Amino acid sequence: GAGVSQSPSNKVTEKGKDVELRCDPISGHTALYWYRQRLGQGLEFLIYFQGNSAPDKSGLPSDRFSAERTGESVSTLTIQRTQQEDSAVYLCASSFVHLNSPLHFGNGTRLTVT
Amino acid sequence: KNEVEQSPQNLTAQEGEFITINCSYSVGISALHWLQQHPGGGIVSLFMLSSGKKKHGRLIATINIQEKHSSLHITASHPRDSAVYICAVTDGNKLVFGAGTILRVKS
Repeated sequence: GAGVSQSPSNKVTEKGKDVELRCDPISGHTALYWYRQRLGQGLEFLIYFQGNSAPDKSGLPSDRFSAERTGESVSTLTIQRTQQEDSAVYLCASSFVHLNSPLHFGNGTRLTVT
Repeated sequence: KNEVEQSPQNLTAQEGEFITINCSYSVGISALHWLQQHPGGGIVSLFMLSSGKKKHGRLIATINIQEKHSSLHITASHPRDSAVYICAVTDGNKLVFGAGTILRVKS
């Protein structure tokens, strides 16, 4: 596809369940980023991948959050034992070169934990 | 003090007006990004710049590295420009985002 694709676009889950969010970056983009945006708030950095390694995981809020990336392709963000405070829009972005080329964002996954 | 400060936080303009949104930062940077987020949530990259000025259509972005300041200008504003405009700067190995400026252009 031409842009960054995220799935699902919406996810409603019960507290305590695990969820997996997927991001397909633009082909050839080496850098991939996950952000979280709570309602009415700014973008919060979660993790960044360079290829399939994650040099910076400092934004992951707890050990319930993990992410992986296959090569320079798909990434998944997994949230275990979801809590209500995990409700947010999770945005993925990719760029050709880390920090030195424009970011391309997906449309996000809106996660609601009930 | 936040590393990236945007002003104003909210801005209402009449269609056709010239609009300026400001971004000041306190860290050394290699690049600054201006992003646009529409009410539906999608984020679009408008500019990435490290010096001088860039122009795209009715949008102009400038940066002054010495003063650690950037401005985003919109000429002949239109209601479809209504969105949140976000400034982000590189700080070491990560991007740091401003809180955003909510722009509403009335017809």
